[in-house]
Amino acid sequence: KQEVTQIPAALSVPEGENLVLNCSFTDSAIYNLQWFRQDPGKGLTSLLLIQSSQREQTSGRLNASLDKSSGRSTLYIAASQPGDSATYLCAVNQGGKLIFGQGTELSVKP
Amino acid sequence: KAGVTQTPRYLIKTRGQQVTLSCSPISGHRSVSWYQQTPGQGLQFLFEYFSETQRNKGNFPGRFSGRQFSNSRSEMNVSTLELGDSALYLCASNGGTGEAFFGQGTRLTVV
Repeated sequence: KQEVTQIPAALSVPEGENLVLNCSFTDSAIYNLQWFRQDPGKGLTSLLLIQSSQREQTSGRLNASLDKSSGRSTLYIAASQPGDSATYLCAVNQGGKLIFGQGTELSVKP
Repeated sequence: KAGVTQTPRYLIKTRGQQVTLSCSPISGHRSVSWYQQTPGQGLQFLFEYFSETQRNKGNFPGRFSGRQFSNSRSEMNVSTLELGDSALYLCASNGGTGEAFFGQGTRLTVV
């Protein structure tokens, strides 16, 4: 059974810091991996999608990597801003369904 | 291009009642999935529909059901509501690239 774990559960950093969020999964037979952002009480916003054949994807200040063999993905956020404060979720796609981690709650202090 | 639209945004129901939630996917997307989000269990997969057929189902009781119409709009129904069904219900649409796009969710409170 696929299990997805995100570490840390919460993170507080000063504005301007670079940071890394971690996601690990137990079964490497995935179709893709997606990173999302969720603001309180809202839906999920897609940040980056990495297909199983890819190693990384970049969008602006965000960079996500995928290592299927070790069951790991990281989301790198450069020069963090207070507007980046949210919960970040990773999800692996297996057979058309997304299996989510519990999320990392990020707080960026001005 | 309009995003995924879920209605209503908020619902309050009494135990034992039933409820129907609606989801309109992004135009051209034929796959619609539903997820339940609670503080204790996180995000859990309910089911996926593609071209009006249920393609995947999660581990939820039969009280949870869904359907998809020919225009790809989907509805989710929960019968005999329990207090534990209080959650944020999220719908996602997928256009075949594998990228899921989510709506804003329906917040269901069962009292």
